[in-house]
This record gives sequence, C-alpha cells and structure tokens, in this order.
Amino acid sequence: NAGVMQNPRHLVRRRGQEARLRCSPMKGHSHVYWYRQLPEEGLKFMVYLQKENIIDESGMPKERFSAEFPKEGPSILRIQQVVRGDSAAYFCASSAEQGKNTEAFFGQGTRLTVV
Amino acid sequence: GNSVTQMEGPVTLSEEAFLTINCTYTATGYPSLFWYVQYPGEGLQLLLKATKADDKGSNKGFEATYRKETTSFHLEKGSVQVSDSAVYFCALSDRGTALIFGKGTTLSVSS
Repeated sequence: NAGVMQNPRHLVRRRGQEARLRCSPMKGHSHVYWYRQLPEEGLKFMVYLQKENIIDESGMPKERFSAEFPKEGPSILRIQQVVRGDSAAYFCASSAEQGKNTEAFFGQGTRLTVV
Repeated sequence: GNSVTQMEGPVTLSEEAFLTINCTYTATGYPSLFWYVQYPGEGLQLLLKATKADDKGSNKGFEATYRKETTSFHLEKGSVQVSDSAVYFCALSDRGTALIFGKGTTLSVSS
C-alpha cells in the first residue's frame, strides 16, 4: 500500500508562470489536506478537500491559488502567476475519515522555487 | 483562535542525553494533540498522539502527556540517539478539519 505520493518533488518556476502540484492520497483515503511550509516556519493549513468538493479553504490565499480533487485522479494545487513569496514546501496529507482523532498521513512534499 | 507554541530551537544534545521539547497550546474546545517528526528532505510522520486529558502517547522511546491544567504536551525521551536528529512539530486538531502546527524544533544529536 503506497503512501501519499506527491509530484514533482522539486519544481522551479519563473515569476509569472503557473505551478501545478499533484497529490495522490493513500489507497482508500478520500480526505485530502494541503499545507504550506515557509522557511523556518511550521506548516500552515491551506485547504481541505473530499472527492469533488472543497470543504474548507480558509487558509488559501484568495487570489492565484486554487485546488481540486476530482472523482478520478490526484488532487491538484494550482498557483497562477507565481511570485517569489510562493517559494515554499507544499505538503499534502490524506486521511480515511474526518475527525480530530484521525491520523493524517503526509507526502514527501513539493519544494517550489520561484526565480 | 487555536494555536500551538513550541520551544525555539535548535536543541543540540549528545547521544544518550535526556530530551525535553516544550509545547503549549490554546484551544477553545477539547483538542487532540500530536507530535510529528520530519527527517531531512522528507514529509512528516506521526510520532505519537493523545486524544484526551491525562492520556500519554508513546512511541520509539518518546513520550508526551496531555496536561489540560497546564495546556501542555511536552515531548520527552530518556536517551536520544543520533538517528533522532530531525525537526519535531507539535500540533493540535480541534474540529477535525485540519492540524494546527507549532513552528517546529530542530534536534541535533551528536555521538
């Protein structure tokens, strides 16, 4: 049973380009969470999705960022017109169910560098 | 709002030393508390958790006790190894939709 798979592991984009980050949750998991880790900072929640639905996007910047989790395929975090401040590690986590006691399993992250 | 505060790092110890990493939290409800570990270049792995007051989570020699009266969840290990070198994150989950993390504490253990 493969863990949470994120790709690419490293992504370099020029300012103004688009970044697409992919996350395949663990088999059987229908809950996906995206977090951003800035240098010297902890992880900050961005968005929580279930299949085809955004449940909580309270941590997502209002502009340029979007996320989806289609019925088939991985969850995608999309950043349009990237700026240097978007440089960070983006982590995806998945869980089998929702609840404060539920363990979330994390992927290895995508490290985005905007040049 | 909910928040987690952990001691600043880095923490530098010799092998077999005793480890404590302090973590305190603020929450409106009755959260579950977690410690995650991040090895270089990797994602986070759950180290241990506690779901209610006075619970003790333990794993791989690490322990933490959920103290409601002091709103704390300090991580301890009696004898650290070089392989324990990593970044440790304290986190809470209140409503179950997302984890709230502390800033992380870097532990460096030398032989």
